[in-house]
Amino acid sequence: AQSVTQLDSQVPVFEEAPVELRCNYSSSVSVYLFWYVQYPNQGLQLLLKYLSGSTLVESINGFEAEFNKSQTSFHLRKPSVHISDTAEYFCAVRSSQGGSEKLVFGKGTKLTVNP
Amino acid sequence: DTAVSQTPKYLVTQMGNDKSIKCEQNLGHDTMYWYKQDSKKFLKIMFSYNNKELIINETVPNRFSPKSPDKAHLNLHINSLELGDSAVYFCASSPSYGSYEQYFGPGTRLTVT
Repeated sequence: AQSVTQLDSQVPVFEEAPVELRCNYSSSVSVYLFWYVQYPNQGLQLLLKYLSGSTLVESINGFEAEFNKSQTSFHLRKPSVHISDTAEYFCAVRSSQGGSEKLVFGKGTKLTVNP
Repeated sequence: DTAVSQTPKYLVTQMGNDKSIKCEQNLGHDTMYWYKQDSKKFLKIMFSYNNKELIINETVPNRFSPKSPDKAHLNLHINSLELGDSAVYFCASSPSYGSYEQYFGPGTRLTVT
């Protein structure tokens, strides 16, 4: 079964510092990977996705993630974070099993950006 | 305009009671989901409906019964509530089954006392 592991449960950083949120996946089939963001007291929003093609994918608010097949990773990065980036970030993988398809989420990484 | 809405936002109730959570999406999507997020923020799918038909049932206790009266609505009824049912329940939708971009509602925080 496909799964993802988010290696850090909490990541505190200072404003304007770079950040990397780590995600490793386990999948024996073609991989579709996603990052979702959950701002406080809100539902999840899709941040970016990798389906095929270029291994580097970008979001509109400056985040990027790189699909690395040899390391089975899909880490999320931002060169300079803002206070408003404080949120919970979830890595997810497409899972196909028994004819059903679904997203399997990691346990989340809480990013806290301090002034 | 709210894309995916849920009511109520908060629900506090006692063990043994029966409660319902309602979800509506105005995106014209075919597929809707219910997720449970526990106190450690772990998010797990419970059910998926496509065009009002049940597609995924993730070994959820049969005290939980989803119902989709039409493509735009997916409700969740819970019988005989237990302490362990306390969580945030999220409704989500996607354009079609197998489309992985999902749009989430704001969540319903259920507290069972």
